[in-house]
Amino acid sequence: SYELTQPPSVSVSPGQTASITCSGDKLEERYVCWYQQRPGQTPLLVIYEDAKRPSGIPERFSGSNSGNTATLTISGTQAMDEADYYCQAWDTTANVFGSGTRVTVL
Amino acid sequence: EVQLVESGGGLVQPGGSLRLSCAASGFTFSSYSMNWVRQAPGKGLEWISYISSSSGTVYYADSVKGRFTISRDNAKNSLHLEMNSLRAEDTAVYYCARDRVGGFSHDYWGRGTLVTVSS
Repeated sequence: SYELTQPPSVSVSPGQTASITCSGDKLEERYVCWYQQRPGQTPLLVIYEDAKRPSGIPERFSGSNSGNTATLTISGTQAMDEADYYCQAWDTTANVFGSGTRVTVL
Repeated sequence: EVQLVESGGGLVQPGGSLRLSCAASGFTFSSYSMNWVRQAPGKGLEWISYISSSSGTVYYADSVKGRFTISRDNAKNSLHLEMNSLRAEDTAVYYCARDRVGGFSHDYWGRGTLVTVSS
């Protein structure tokens, strides 16, 4: 079965850039999306189709997908961005989530 | 306003059954494919099932295939998950999630319902 690999944690200082990777075989051939989940809250879609932002998502969130790796970038990270982030992609007949990355804003 | 409200969770013994429901409002339910996603306590998200807008296509994760059945009633704007042969590892919060038009991602989620499988 298809697998998506994320680093368990990323730390970033306020105002700096956080980059979260998501790796999978030939990932660039699939659309990748990203969800933010703050503690005790429901997941929120922040990036879809590799790099598109839903309405209401701040411009500091951006995405890319090339080769075997997709990346979620948070520019000018704020304290409110501290959360778990999950990538997701379809594998023919099954949807797959990455294991999640906890972003800590120090 | 789009709303998804899950119900039906609770405590069930191993080997038992449970039926979850998701009431949808604020959008044309019959036009969207839907999903169930679960999250075990302290763990990550796990997609478990998909159903197309017309119920013509359904998919399941290997972990629930043969035990869970997804269905929908477009006349009643409701999504369901029939869960049989439940195991301790099925303990999780179960979310219903709407697919964006065009698919590939979930743009709206319910708040979830907790299923606990324990004796």
